[in-house]
Amino acid sequence: RKEVEQDPGPFNVPEGATVAFNCTYSNSASQSFFWYRQDCRKEPKLLMSVYSSGNEDGRFTAQLNRASQYISLLIRDSKLSDSATYLCVVESTDKLIFGTGTRLQVFP
Amino acid sequence: DAGITQSPRYKITETGRQVTLMCHQTWSHSYMFWYRQDLGHGLRLIYYSAAADITDKGEVPDGYVVSRSKTENFPLTLESATRSQTSVYFCASARLAGAQDTQYFGPGTRLTVL
Repeated sequence: RKEVEQDPGPFNVPEGATVAFNCTYSNSASQSFFWYRQDCRKEPKLLMSVYSSGNEDGRFTAQLNRASQYISLLIRDSKLSDSATYLCVVESTDKLIFGTGTRLQVFP
Repeated sequence: DAGITQSPRYKITETGRQVTLMCHQTWSHSYMFWYRQDLGHGLRLIYYSAAADITDKGEVPDGYVVSRSKTENFPLTLESATRSQTSVYFCASARLAGAQDTQYFGPGTRLTVL
C-alpha cells in the first residue's frame, strides 16, 4: 500500500462548480499535512497546510480526519485558473511524502 | 532575482554517461532536496542535505551521488546513466526540516536517457 493515495482523476468540472478531493495516508504517526498545486510541466507550489481543526483560504477548504486517516480539499466556485494537479503531502519521519496527484480540469 | 534555479532545464544523454544536474538557491536555506517525478509515482526523494557537507539518502538513492560543499549549491550526479533514470528532477530548499517549513521547488530538469 502506498503511504499516500489519491484518486488521479481527472475531475472535469464547469466554472463555478464545487469540487472535492480526498487523500488517504497510512502512517498514523504523521503530524503535518499539506496540499500542493502543480501546473502542467511546472514545479509544485504550496497551496495550503491542513490543520486538525480544518482551515479555509478563500475558496479553498482543507480538512483532516485523523481517525480515518484522510485529508480533503474542497474548492468552491471553481475558476479556469484552478485547472492543475493537486498533490496531497504528508509528513513522515521528518520527510515529506507526496501523493501522485489529482488532476482538475475546469471548463467554461 | 532571488530564488532557486536548476540547470540544465532539459538534457538528453546516453546510457552509461555521467550527468550532473545543478541546483542553486539564494535564500541561504539550510535544507536542500532532490526529488524525481515519474508517472504513477509522484515525487520521490532521492537525497537531501541538512547543511553544507551533510547529506543523507532518501527513498530512491541508488545510482545517484550528491555533494554540498557550499550552502547554496546542491548538485546531483548520475554516475552512469540508465534508461530508468529518465525523469523530471526537482530540487527544493527549506529553512527547516520536514514539515516545519515550506519547501520551495526549482523549475525542474527534464532528463532523457537514451
